[in-house]
Amino acid sequence: QITLTQQAESLWVSPGEKVSITCRASQSLLYTDGKHYLSWYQQRPGQTTKALIYHASIRTDGVPTRFIGSGSGTEFTLSIEDVQPEDIALYYCLQTLKKPWTFGGGTKLELK
Amino acid sequence: EVKLLESGGGLVQPGGSMRLSCAASGFTFTDFYMYWIRQPAGKAPEWLGFIRNKANGYTTEYNPSVKGRFTISRDNTQNMLYLQMNTLRAEDTATYYCARWDSGYYFDYWGQGVMVTVSS
Repeated sequence: QITLTQQAESLWVSPGEKVSITCRASQSLLYTDGKHYLSWYQQRPGQTTKALIYHASIRTDGVPTRFIGSGSGTEFTLSIEDVQPEDIALYYCLQTLKKPWTFGGGTKLELK
Repeated sequence: EVKLLESGGGLVQPGGSMRLSCAASGFTFTDFYMYWIRQPAGKAPEWLGFIRNKANGYTTEYNPSVKGRFTISRDNTQNMLYLQMNTLRAEDTATYYCARWDSGYYFDYWGQGVMVTVSS
């Protein structure tokens, strides 16, 4: 199965800063249709899990433009520009290229 | 408004069985693939499996980690999704979520989750 590694378990950030969360896959997530099958999710306490990005770089409906997905092949990044207090959460990447689909280990964004 | 509400969790002894339910509302249930995902406390989520929509015959697929022990089913008359879990082990202890798959791109709605604890 494909392993996703989120190197940073925790990242500390101050409001207004930019932060980048990385996700590395054990093999390329590029499919023959030219799309990368990598999505990003946010988990906040007391709220349901929310999809932020799919196909590596496309924001889902209603997600603020400060959330930016990038990357290709095996290396992907979720960047959050101008971090807001409500962005303090757990972030997971998910690959849906090959079954069993697998999640990264998660990165917890914390306030300095 | 789309809602997914899991129920049926609790404490179960090793080797026991449990059935989780997920009540869906606010959308045409039969149009969507539905998934179960679990997450042990402090750990990453794990994809367990899914059941296809009406157009694809309601067939199922499973993560090999639970195949043969877990069964996903749906009652389309009641808009309910189920996860039957047998021969439960301590490592099955987790919060279990149902989720809707958005037409091939991402999980667009998740439930709040239900806790399952396997312990004697």
